[in-house]
Amino acid sequence: QVQLVQSGAEVKKPGASVKVSCKASGFSFTSYYMHWVRQAPGQGLEWMGVINPSGGGTTYAQKFQGRVTMTRDTSTSTVYMELSSLRSEDTAVYYCARVAGGSYYDYFDYWGQGTLVTVSS
Amino acid sequence: QSVLTQPPSVSAAPGQKVTISCSGSSSNVGSNSVSWYQQLPGTAPKLLIYDSNERPSGIPDRFSGSKSGTSATLGITGLQTGDEAHYYCGTWDRSLSEGVFGGGTKLTVL
Repeated sequence: QVQLVQSGAEVKKPGASVKVSCKASGFSFTSYYMHWVRQAPGQGLEWMGVINPSGGGTTYAQKFQGRVTMTRDTSTSTVYMELSSLRSEDTAVYYCARVAGGSYYDYFDYWGQGTLVTVSS
Repeated sequence: QSVLTQPPSVSAAPGQKVTISCSGSSSNVGSNSVSWYQQLPGTAPKLLIYDSNERPSGIPDRFSGSKSGTSATLGITGLQTGDEAHYYCGTWDRSLSEGVFGGGTKLTVL
């Protein structure tokens, strides 16, 4: 069965970086685009960007340009999201999500369990 | 401020029907399919509706979706207490070249 398993919670200081992983199983890793979405406490969903696990190409939301880097490791079927220059407003749950059908963007049929990143001095 | 506009909250009694609107523009809802997600407290979002009106397997037919122009609607009939959750619409915005979501709607089953 399809599973997206994310790394555990992180606590970081302002100005630091965080790298969240999302390990995929149960499907052909390189056939599905993977997105990252975050949710601040008590807030809605916010799209961060997308990575093509096949070629590694990425597209990021304008808001995160220059601070976010999405990568993948095909040998372990894992995608990563690294966010730098962290500030308190980056405190959120970060989700990876698979796009159905192998297209660049459509609907998200599977989500990771989420990773809480807390930024605090 | 979210690109797609949803009412912050809706409520109805058990067994009743409720609709949740999602308003956008020609660059997002007006030109792309809309998906809907249910988020129970403390859990990841779950796909409810895709391609504006299709249900994934396992989603009861109490949930339905529709789209007209730059607005989409999620309908839930036969409300149950277990339906209490936040509901989000989402799509792609061609002008922004970004994924966009509504701000979410909290459903309360009274």
